[in-house]
Amino acid sequence: AQKITQTQPGMFVQEKEAVTLDCTYDTSDPSYGLFWYKQPSSGEMIFLIYQGSYDQQNATEGRYSLNFQKARKSANLVISASQLGDSAMYFCAMKRGNQGGKLIFGQGTELSVKP
Amino acid sequence: DAGVTQSPTHLIKTRGQQVTLRCSPISGHKSVSWYQQVLGQGPQFIFQYYEKEERGRGNFPDRFSARQFPNYSSELNVNALLLGDSALYLCASSSGPQTNEKLFFGSGTQLSVL
Repeated sequence: AQKITQTQPGMFVQEKEAVTLDCTYDTSDPSYGLFWYKQPSSGEMIFLIYQGSYDQQNATEGRYSLNFQKARKSANLVISASQLGDSAMYFCAMKRGNQGGKLIFGQGTELSVKP
Repeated sequence: DAGVTQSPTHLIKTRGQQVTLRCSPISGHKSVSWYQQVLGQGPQFIFQYYEKEERGRGNFPDRFSARQFPNYSSELNVNALLLGDSALYLCASSSGPQTNEKLFFGSGTQLSVL
C-alpha cells in the first residue's frame, strides 16, 4: 500500500535559518511523483515543489529544495533563509503513475518561525 | 489569471441534510479532484474527474457523489449528512491526469454538520 510518513508533528526554526522537514514514502510503483504543499491558517493548499521518480536532479524552487534519496525512499523539504511568513502546516504528498489526480498525503508538519 | 475557486467558503448544515459544493478550475485545466480534510489530518482523496468522466474514487460511501460540467467546473454532493462529515473540502485542478501534472488547490469549503 502507498503511504507517506511525516514524523515531525511540529518544528521550530529561527528566522533566517534553514530548516529540513522530513518525509518518507512507500510505494512499489516505478513511476510516481512527490509533492510538497504549504497550508497556512487560511486553509488553502499552496504548491511548493515537485520531484518525479525518474528525475536525476533534486528539484529546487526559489528558497525551497527537495532532498530526494530514492534508495531510502525519502523526499525531505529544505527551506533556506526562513521567514516569518513560512509559519504554516507543510504536507508531503505522493501521486502514483497511473492515478493522476489522486494525491496521498502525510499527516503534516507544523512549522513555526521565531523572530 | 484566477486560481481555483470554491463556493461557498463556509456552510452549516444539520444531520440528514444534503449539501452541494462547487468548484471552478484554473482556466485551461480539464481535471478536477476533491479532497476531504478533517481537522488535524492530511487531506483524503474523494474523487477525480477528467474530461467529464470519473477517473478515480477514494474510500468514501455512496452518499458522496460528484460530476463535472462541459466547462470543467465540478460539484460535490453529500447526502444524508453525518456529524463526521464536518471537514474542510478542497478542490484541486490540473491540466491532466499525468503523474507530473501539478495539482493546484482552492481555499476550500468549511462544512460544519450540527
